[in-house]
Amino acid sequence: KNEVEQSPQNLTAQEGEFITINCSYSVGISALHWLQQHPGGGIVSLFMLSSGKKKHGRLIATINIQEKHSSLHITASHPRDSAVYICAVRKPNNDMRFGAGTRLTVKP
Amino acid sequence: NAGVTQTPKFQVLKTGQSMTLQCAQDMNHNSMYWYRQDPGMGLRLIYYSASEGTTDKGEVPNGYNVSRLNKREFSLRLESAAPSQTSVYFCASSEYGRGNQPQHFGDGTRLSIL
Repeated sequence: KNEVEQSPQNLTAQEGEFITINCSYSVGISALHWLQQHPGGGIVSLFMLSSGKKKHGRLIATINIQEKHSSLHITASHPRDSAVYICAVRKPNNDMRFGAGTRLTVKP
Repeated sequence: NAGVTQTPKFQVLKTGQSMTLQCAQDMNHNSMYWYRQDPGMGLRLIYYSASEGTTDKGEVPNGYNVSRLNKREFSLRLESAAPSQTSVYFCASSEYGRGNQPQHFGDGTRLSIL
């Protein structure tokens, strides 16, 4: 079983919809990261979380340490949000483990 | 702002050939990483360098070697390429190797081994 599981694997939404991507992990962590991989392949760091909630523009990330679960929300989704969203956890020994990603397509 | 620069962007090798993937960062970061990304799987850490002069194995180090040439540069070498090493390789860096540090990624090197 992968140490980091994301759901759904694929997600298609209409422009304007509220989107939620989930991440569950099974190991102790020092931090959780959300990354965005553009269709061209480039990877950008969106958030780092060790507790609570963070917001940046239309993106919100939450984490529940007790339940070992994080969510990434996108409000008022737009076609330019189409990308693969990757959840990653940093273990206390500084090793990183990545989820397989959620491919989001937002249709106009 | 160059950030993390990887070369080459694409490469095709024959089985048994060797090559070195280059990575350089201009952000004065201490920690650097090499990952591979395969279809349907998450990024997997090959090697990392917490600071200049140190390197450590990650999740999938077999078949690879690394060199932290200086603070800026971290290279990944395939001594005898195998088809199983066909993948997209990403280099990343962070200020320090701690959990609360963001990682900055290069654009990737798409490597095919025939």
